[in-house]
Amino acid sequence: AQTVTQSQPEMSVQEAETVTLSCTYDTSESDYYLFWYKQPPSRQMILVIRQEAYKQQNATENRFSVNFQKAAKSFSLKISDSQLGDAAMYFCAYRRRTSGSRLTFGEGTQLTVNP
Amino acid sequence: DGGITQSPKYLFRKEGQNVTLSCEQNLNHDAMYWYRQDPGQGLRLIYYSQIVNDFQKGDIAEGYSVSREKKESFPLTVTSAQKNPTAFYLCASNTPSGTLNIQYFGAGTRLSVL
Repeated sequence: AQTVTQSQPEMSVQEAETVTLSCTYDTSESDYYLFWYKQPPSRQMILVIRQEAYKQQNATENRFSVNFQKAAKSFSLKISDSQLGDAAMYFCAYRRRTSGSRLTFGEGTQLTVNP
Repeated sequence: DGGITQSPKYLFRKEGQNVTLSCEQNLNHDAMYWYRQDPGQGLRLIYYSQIVNDFQKGDIAEGYSVSREKKESFPLTVTSAQKNPTAFYLCASNTPSGTLNIQYFGAGTRLSVL
């Protein structure tokens, strides 16, 4: 079974600084997707960024980028120029490429942004 | 607007009572999912459905039931057999295979026991 591990229950960053959230996963599959979701205090889950395992290039979305290390099964999220609105719970998630397959989530990292 | 609608936003259950959480989507997605979230924890899969009239158990299906009679709707019933139902429940649906394959979420239902 696939597992996703986020080893940092809490992280904090100063506004305008950069922070990196860690995620490791375990799978025997070679083709899959990885995601970072953000859950602000409203509890609405919002997709931040998505990576396809067959792509070597790291995904980037504005201030958000990932460091995808397939051999090490590592998928970290880097947030640059942190803003107060980035404060949220961040979840790493894994999904097989098969149609209709489920998401497996990590335990989450609570990010605090200090002004 | 296209999206996933969950209702009610807050729900209270009495001892021994079954309650049903609604999830409706107008995104034309085939696959739908129910997750449970406990305080400070990640999401755990309860049930999922890849097509109408078919569904599969997730990791924590005991004490829950679902139906999928229409593509747009995937209601979750929390039965009296679920002894610890207090949690935040999230419904999701997924874009078809071959596209972006992204899972979108509703705003959630918070269930509490009276």
